[in-house]
Amino acid sequence: DGGITQSPKYLFRKEGQNVTLSCEQNLNHDAMYWYRQDPGQGLRLIYYSQIVNDFQKGDIAEGYSVSREKKESFPLTVTSAQKNPTAFYLCASSISAMEIAIEGNFFGPGTRLTVL
Amino acid sequence: AQKITQTQPGMFVQEKEAVTLDCTYDTSDQSYGLFWYKQPSSGEMIFLIYQGSYDEQNATEGRYSLNFQKARKSANLVISASQLGDSAMYFCAMREGSGSRLTFGEGTQLTVNP
Repeated sequence: DGGITQSPKYLFRKEGQNVTLSCEQNLNHDAMYWYRQDPGQGLRLIYYSQIVNDFQKGDIAEGYSVSREKKESFPLTVTSAQKNPTAFYLCASSISAMEIAIEGNFFGPGTRLTVL
Repeated sequence: AQKITQTQPGMFVQEKEAVTLDCTYDTSDQSYGLFWYKQPSSGEMIFLIYQGSYDEQNATEGRYSLNFQKARKSANLVISASQLGDSAMYFCAMREGSGSRLTFGEGTQLTVNP
């Protein structure tokens, strides 16, 4: 079955530590995205990648970093510079950044990060 | 300015009745797409329905339909014959131009009562 895998589902870290959230897709999609969701709110775009070895900042990129070394993988690092990292993080993909897809983005199950 | 506005933080509906969730949008692009997603308490995002800006007919998918009023820039989701399993958070989202990056609204929490 094709899909997006995010692991782990729950993640706890101490304040001041960097943490990397994993996102893997086997849909052969070119574009991948990271969103952040705070309780009772909508999704906000952190970073996105249209193609391997290329990525762009979204609306709330400060305190985050990403890499796209492989088409299937788009890990997100939450750095100690992120002031309020506790949130629900969703990874998504789409066929391409330019192709109009009626499904929009395909989403992974998400990772709930709690920084203590 | 908000690009996607969902003015109903919470909505309640009786089982088997229809409910309309509101969404208004703001864009200067002629080509855009509007999406509705459902998010149950588990957190996954489930795609429900899509409306393209050039589509002349309102989109329908089973019990879901999208009431698209282009001049008013609204794209309301109508759920017919509500079921208990419809209780969830619902998000309206927009894609502008030819890209696939989405902008989301704040969501509406729908509760279906038995």
